Amino acid sequence: GAVVSQHPSWVICKSGTSVKIECRSLDFQATTMFWYRQFPKQSLMLMATSNEGSKATYEQGVEKDKFLINHASLTLSTLTVTSAHPEDSSFYICSARDVLAGTADTQYFGPGTRLTVL
Amino acid sequence: AQKVTQAQTEISVVEKEDVTLDCVYETRDTTYYLFWYKQPPSGELVFLIRRNSFDEQNEISGRYSWNFQKSTSSFNFTITASQVVDSAVYFCAGGGGSQGNLIFGKGTKLSVKP
Repeated sequence: GAVVSQHPSWVICKSGTSVKIECRSLDFQATTMFWYRQFPKQSLMLMATSNEGSKATYEQGVEKDKFLINHASLTLSTLTVTSAHPEDSSFYICSARDVLAGTADTQYFGPGTRLTVL
Repeated sequence: AQKVTQAQTEISVVEKEDVTLDCVYETRDTTYYLFWYKQPPSGELVFLIRRNSFDEQNEISGRYSWNFQKSTSSFNFTITASQVVDSAVYFCAGGGGSQGNLIFGKGTKLSVKP
């Protein structure tokens, strides 16, 4: 149980284009999902908290107009990197909480999406 | 403010050695959760353990064991008889609760050599 998928697993795009990353909880409902970014050999940095049916809460320093988050259902959240630039190249990881489980505080992570902007 | 400190950046051991990864979590919250995750070279974070701040019992799962001491804010992770497959970056994280936000440490890269 508690499987989270991400799609695509990797993407290469040209500078200026937009990229959408999907995060799905496969066998549970997730009212809250989280988006992280991880640069090489560094830790995970929380970008935003995504709540189903409401606006995402962004961490300080994260541009909400650049990183659009939509959480339209209990099993799907999307992150769109708009007008991507080479500095946006990173490993993006989502996580989800199974709010109906006794371990609702535990985050289960997707496999990550490696974004390379040329 | 919350802070997770993993003082060991890299550890290298030989197979079958025991190894302990350190973690210190600082917070003003009286109720919180602590986690350990494993990140192998593939990149996917694997959940290992969750511990709440009220439970100071040590936990053992196979070759893995965890020692939580609230008085020192430490949540250390020991791998007994390490194996090459244990090679990965291990992250300690703290937080959780109603907000769910997790703060991650910088990670400890463990290399187990045959």
